[in-house]
Amino acid sequence: DTAVSQTPKYLVTQMGNDKSIKCEQNLGHDTMYWYKQDSKKFLKIMFSYNNKELIINETVPNRFSPKSPDKAHLNLHINSLELGDSAVYFCASSHLSENYEQYFGPGTRLTVT
Amino acid sequence: GNSVTQMEGPVTLSEEAFLTINCTYTATGYPSLFWYVQYPGEGLQLLLKATKADDKGSNKGFEATYRKETTSFHLEKGSVQVSDSAVYFCALSPSGSARQLTFGSGTQLTVLP
Repeated sequence: DTAVSQTPKYLVTQMGNDKSIKCEQNLGHDTMYWYKQDSKKFLKIMFSYNNKELIINETVPNRFSPKSPDKAHLNLHINSLELGDSAVYFCASSHLSENYEQYFGPGTRLTVT
Repeated sequence: GNSVTQMEGPVTLSEEAFLTINCTYTATGYPSLFWYVQYPGEGLQLLLKATKADDKGSNKGFEATYRKETTSFHLEKGSVQVSDSAVYFCALSPSGSARQLTFGSGTQLTVLP
């Protein structure tokens, strides 16, 4: 009964490939997020969706495209992968309310060779 | 814009030592403040939070007090354990919204037996 799950946990691929990371939450939250954590552990938000609508889109290359088929899922598709995309990607979810914490998934470690 | 500055690590302590990890923030209005913890190979978990000035968040022996006059939210624990070894992140959420967390750079804590 995992709250926020991500697949795959590890992803190794070559430059130029297209890949997707999937995220699902069973908490009934209305908002989901994608964060990128670099090799120095720095965390930065990439996207946020509320009720399947994009509400945050930071300065992320347009090779990254989030897709939310429903409130419980937020997938991240990455085109033409580059070496600099190597990182750990975290999905999170919350209620869109000031006092509700964000729940994080276990992360997907992406390595581009 | 909003920002969080955290004490740089890594921090290495002996078991039962006193822990302080400094965190200061820059934000307009009255943000909510959080400490998240990331254990090796896992996602982030909320450790504690405070939503208004002078609030004290506490959990698992950790405490932090929201100090608006010094724009600080320092994390403390009186006696650390080996199991506290992790990366600790200070974060803020702008007032009126939990949609976007801004994280500090993280502080790696290692507790030696």
